[in-house]
This record gives sequence, C-alpha cells and structure tokens, in this order.
Amino acid sequence: DAGVIQSPRHEVTEMGQEVTLRCKPISGHDYLFWYRQTMMRGLELLIYFNNNVPIDDSGMPEDRFSAKMPNASFSTLKIQPSEPRDSAVYFCASSLGGATNEKLFFGSGTQLSVL
Amino acid sequence: GESVGLHLPTLSVQEGDNSIINCAYSNSASDYFIWYKQESGKGPQFIIDIRSNMDKRQGQRVTVLLNKTVKHLSLQIAATQPGDSAVYFCAETYSGNTPLVFGKGTRLSVIA
Repeated sequence: DAGVIQSPRHEVTEMGQEVTLRCKPISGHDYLFWYRQTMMRGLELLIYFNNNVPIDDSGMPEDRFSAKMPNASFSTLKIQPSEPRDSAVYFCASSLGGATNEKLFFGSGTQLSVL
Repeated sequence: GESVGLHLPTLSVQEGDNSIINCAYSNSASDYFIWYKQESGKGPQFIIDIRSNMDKRQGQRVTVLLNKTVKHLSLQIAATQPGDSAVYFCAETYSGNTPLVFGKGTRLSVIA
C-alpha cells in the first residue's frame, strides 16, 4: 500500500482565497483524521471521521474550515476564506477501527502558506 | 521544509550513546500511550506503544517506560544513530476510541 496520500504537498495562496486540501487514506482504514501542526500549538486535531461520518469536529477553529468525506477513499479539508494565521502544515491520518484505532498512519502533509 | 518545532526542547546525543526522551502526560485516566517520530518534511511515524497495564515494553533498539504514579513516559533509544535525528512526540488516549492527544515534542539531534 502507498500509505496515506495528501495533495498538494505545498500550497501558497493569498488571503481571502479558497484552499482545498486532499487526502486518500489507506485502503481498509475506517477512521480518518485531519490534524494541523504549528510551532506554537503543536499537533492539533481538527476533525475525524468514522466510516465517512464526521464524529468530532470540535477542533475545527472556525466556520471558515469545513471537511468532507464523500467516500471511503477520499476526504477534503477546505478553508474559505483563508487567512495568514491559517499557515501551518496540515496532516491527514488514517487508522483501523477497534482496539487498534490508536495507531495512526500519517500522510506527508500539506504545507500551507497564506500571504 | 519543516516549519514546526523550532522552539522545541532539544536533546543532543553523541552517536552510539543511548538517548532518553521524557514526556509528562496530563490525564490520569489515559490508558494507552504511543511514541511517534517525525523527520523533517514528513508526517509522524509510529515507533512503539504501551498500555497502562504495563510498565515497560521493548522494541528494536527502543524501550518505552511508563510510570503511572507520576504520569511520566519515557522513550529510550539504544546506540543512537544519525538516522534517529527527528522530533519525537508522545501521545495519549483513553478508552480506546478517543483520538490521540499529542505532546509538544522533543527534538533529538545526533552528533556524529
């Protein structure tokens, strides 16, 4: 398996623009997580899905952030409109359910810079 | 390139020496703990885990120790190699179905 695949690897955009980050989880994994990583706050959980259904989105910072998982092999994280303080590395991770759902497999991340 | 971790605690170790990375966790109800390694430009990678019914668990060159009394977790790396240079995160959870909570991380720098 190729692992968790994220795109793009780097995104540079201007304030006010819409940004869409994409993720393909590992086949067969039924949990998908979106994390944000910054110097100040470390790794923060934004939202996670189980079987394509959002379970907890309490980490989503504002209404400008939204996430979808239309099927088991694809998820998006959208920021609209983007702001400079959204600049961070965004990671997608997936895991199996049950007793092993703690072992997250992370993608390589998307480095977002909002100018 | 990496844009995180510039203000992390840093541990510098001579190649071949043993490394000990420490982590204090906050939730006394946590019953599952994981160590992750993050290399520059990559996502965190699973190293080793331990459940609260254990005090020690060994892997290949790595050992995790858990002290529930003082809520302390440590990762020991034997014969540290340059490839071990990375940021190391501990993470905790409880009940098995709640998401992991990650610590701030420690940067390990191996001196050749």
